[in-house]
Amino acid sequence: DAGITQSPRYKITETGRQVTLMCHQTWSHSYMFWYRQDLGHGLRLIYYSAAADITDKGEVPDGYVVSRSKTENFPLTLESATRSQTSVYFCASSEGGGEGNEQFFGPGTRLTVL
Amino acid sequence: GDSVTQMEGPVTLSEEAFLTINCTYTATGYPSLFWYVQYPGEGLQLLLKATKADDKGSNKGFEATYRKETTSFHLEKGSVQVSDSAVYFCALGRAGGTSYGKLTFGQGTILTVHP
Repeated sequence: DAGITQSPRYKITETGRQVTLMCHQTWSHSYMFWYRQDLGHGLRLIYYSAAADITDKGEVPDGYVVSRSKTENFPLTLESATRSQTSVYFCASSEGGGEGNEQFFGPGTRLTVL
Repeated sequence: GDSVTQMEGPVTLSEEAFLTINCTYTATGYPSLFWYVQYPGEGLQLLLKATKADDKGSNKGFEATYRKETTSFHLEKGSVQVSDSAVYFCALGRAGGTSYGKLTFGQGTILTVHP
């Protein structure tokens, strides 16, 4: 399918487990982003990437790891999940890195940490 | 640092009513401003944007004007429909250096339109 996809769409895990959320885009966009959405906070940036092997921390990176070995994939790993990481996670991509560039969002992954 | 503040919600309107959702921002320089919309169970999608002061973004009957003097980007629509029920996010885009166009979002405003 064309566009940006996320998997899984729903995930329940336990505290202390490692979890990886997948993000795949078919546009060959250079820039990719991970956000988390929590009530009262809007969306907050976790990590972003300008190209394969170039990543940088966003506003709330603690407890998360990313990698970008291929342009089209940008997985987000929770190394040891905590209850505070229960959230909805959105991946996004954009063609350019300019401030006026539109970001295209995936459908989201709802993660529950018990 | 950059920040975006939206009016508190939720907002409940009757069909054909006038809509305003307030958005103000704090930033240095000249960021771009966006409104994104999230329909139930979906990801965000761009509604409109403005890239410089006094620009007006418009789409699907929605409008917003980039006001640098009041640091605002209020969203308006003259006559809302039930299908406009969604969560609306104001956002600020930053480039330069290693910013890569990252977005800073407001907290979101839930809009419900009744027939």
